[in-house]
Amino acid sequence: DAGITQSPRHKVTETGTPVTLRCHQTENHRYMYWYRQDPGHGLRLIHYSYGVKDTDKGEVSDGYSVSRSKTEDFLLTLESATSSQTSVYFCAIGRPNTEAFFGQGTRLTVV
Amino acid sequence: QQQVKQSPQSLIVQKGGISIINCAYENTAFDYFPWYQQFPGKGPALLIAIRPDVSEKKEGRFTISFNKSAKQFSLHIMDSQPGDSATYFCAARDTGTASKLTFGTGTRLQVTL
Repeated sequence: DAGITQSPRHKVTETGTPVTLRCHQTENHRYMYWYRQDPGHGLRLIHYSYGVKDTDKGEVSDGYSVSRSKTEDFLLTLESATSSQTSVYFCAIGRPNTEAFFGQGTRLTVV
Repeated sequence: QQQVKQSPQSLIVQKGGISIINCAYENTAFDYFPWYQQFPGKGPALLIAIRPDVSEKKEGRFTISFNKSAKQFSLHIMDSQPGDSATYFCAARDTGTASKLTFGTGTRLQVTL
């Protein structure tokens, strides 16, 4: 999986609690992305990073924040989880003019 | 709005048949069009990709056909095998910041014996 580790792989949390998902890469890729995958919607971009401390919003960023303090780590935080955030979350990495590589995903259930 | 439209949503093909998945896009700033294959419980993996200056690209049993004027591209899987049963996503890359990918909604392919 191109040196990408997502943690945790599975999580069940209660509505209103904060949740942080971690993406760690060993490939030294400049770009990192968080997507969510839902039936009928494909993969939708939540946030992305184009360098350390350089992040921006994707198409479905409401309710999410990110941080990237090191090249290898990209954190996705749900400040107050809601049931609509139940999804499978994928981290991806990339470089200019190359394909994106995806992690194994984190299945998050908000009850 | 959905910038990359993919069809069909699901597809059943007999072993040895041809699987065809179609995508259409809106944004003319897209400069790279990959297809990803995803098996259950796994992350998407790059299958094949094409740039808009090429009309066709073939890798083994997989072929992308690209029509720039119509803003459409398609994946053909020749001699489909049960092992090809997976979900396929088309995508398009933005020439802007961070080479972001926009995905289609996916096609679940089942190849029967």
